Amino acid sequence: EPEVTQTPSHQVTQMGQEVILRCVPISNHLYFYWYRQILGQKVEFLVSFYNNEISEKSEIFDDQFSVERPDGSNFTLKIRSTKLEDSAMYFCARGVGTNSYNEQFFGPGTRLTVL
Amino acid sequence: AQKVTQAQTEISVVEKEDVTLDCVYETRDTTYYLFWYKQPPSGELVFLIRRNSFDEQNEISGRYSWNFQKSTSSFNFTITASQVVDSAVYFCALSGVNSGGSNYKLTFGKGTLLTVNP
Repeated sequence: EPEVTQTPSHQVTQMGQEVILRCVPISNHLYFYWYRQILGQKVEFLVSFYNNEISEKSEIFDDQFSVERPDGSNFTLKIRSTKLEDSAMYFCARGVGTNSYNEQFFGPGTRLTVL
Repeated sequence: AQKVTQAQTEISVVEKEDVTLDCVYETRDTTYYLFWYKQPPSGELVFLIRRNSFDEQNEISGRYSWNFQKSTSSFNFTITASQVVDSAVYFCALSGVNSGGSNYKLTFGKGTLLTVNP
């Protein structure tokens, strides 16, 4: 089965600090997504990334967030100045398929704790 | 706007019982995809199934089966002869499309916590 790894598995940070979450696909893919899940709640879409550009972002994905694929391999989500409410599980997903509707396989997630 | 409703917050069954998890969706797209994901206590999201809006044929995979009914906008998931290892949160999700035809994002329901007791 297709694999996505995420690092770190758990990140603890102080409010106001910058964090970078990383997603590493096993092979090259065009479609990537970031989702978050606040503890005990549903999974929410943050941003989609297609062919090295943001294709869509949600209302949650404000100016504090950014995504990039700096080396053509790793896919990163940066939060510039973390807030307490950013504490959540962050999932990276990659799309499998060549049409507009593809299955999304999720990484194991990074648990972010903001103190 | 898209919406996925999983009205059952928690379900508790005894091992070997059959259990059905309900999912109702709303979308204005004529073409869309529906998904089920499993989230065990370890936290990862495990893909279970994808169903196209133009394919209403029900699907069975081992003890799992899915009933897609477009007329009622439902995509229900049944586990037959449940096992303790089935205990997890199950999410139903919907994928639509924007005017540019490139929106693949998933809209998730709130999930159903299934507990299978021995």
